[in-house]
Amino acid sequence: QSVLTQPPSVSGAPGQRVTISCTGSSSNIGTGYDVHWYQQLPGRAPKLLIYVTNNRPSGVPGRFSGSKSGTSASLAITGLQAEDEAVYYCQSYDSSLSGSVFGGGTKLTVL
Amino acid sequence: QVQLQESGPGLVKPSGTLSLTCAVSGGSISSSNWWSLVRQPPGKGLEWIGEIYHTGITNYNPSLKSRVTISVDKSKNQFSLKLSSVTAADTAIYFCAKILETGTSSWFDPWGQGALVTVSS
Repeated sequence: QSVLTQPPSVSGAPGQRVTISCTGSSSNIGTGYDVHWYQQLPGRAPKLLIYVTNNRPSGVPGRFSGSKSGTSASLAITGLQAEDEAVYYCQSYDSSLSGSVFGGGTKLTVL
Repeated sequence: QVQLQESGPGLVKPSGTLSLTCAVSGGSISSSNWWSLVRQPPGKGLEWIGEIYHTGITNYNPSLKSRVTISVDKSKNQFSLKLSSVTAADTAIYFCAKILETGTSSWFDPWGQGALVTVSS
């Protein structure tokens, strides 16, 4: 059981918009700790996608955006492309564990 | 541009000690950064193992703390993981990562390519 909860899978057609939720608790997201998102393509290492809720590293398309409210966060992907098919992970800090925690990952399928 | 490269034995016997080294290139391990290890069992999600500052200060995942040691070798610009009393449950891809942070947050970037370590007799 992951400390942060994500849906196991989401899907969408090319060009559509999808969102991936990340639900935490009062010891992590709810306390105000930031949320970060990673994209993991098959057979590859995770890659930073969004940091500090809604900041994109250089090279990440503007189609990716993040938000946070209360004990949850979301990753939105607009204009879905086939290359977006991957597993997406959220990450934050947990004060009870005194360390970083990840969501269980969400597999995005582009139909 | 900092790069990380994992290395170590790909096969460890049950009850033995897993050893992994993370070589840092393109930057100094003594920069103002923490360095971390994350693992991923085959087909499963990510688990934070622990982190180290160049001065040797460490933080560990409570679930692994009794078995984990992370150390730094500034002369070689690398840091290392030792995980003792391993079982098949420790079979995973082990990633090294640099930690970036603000006052209230830390995240991982970049990551090494990962090294698969299998625990089996």
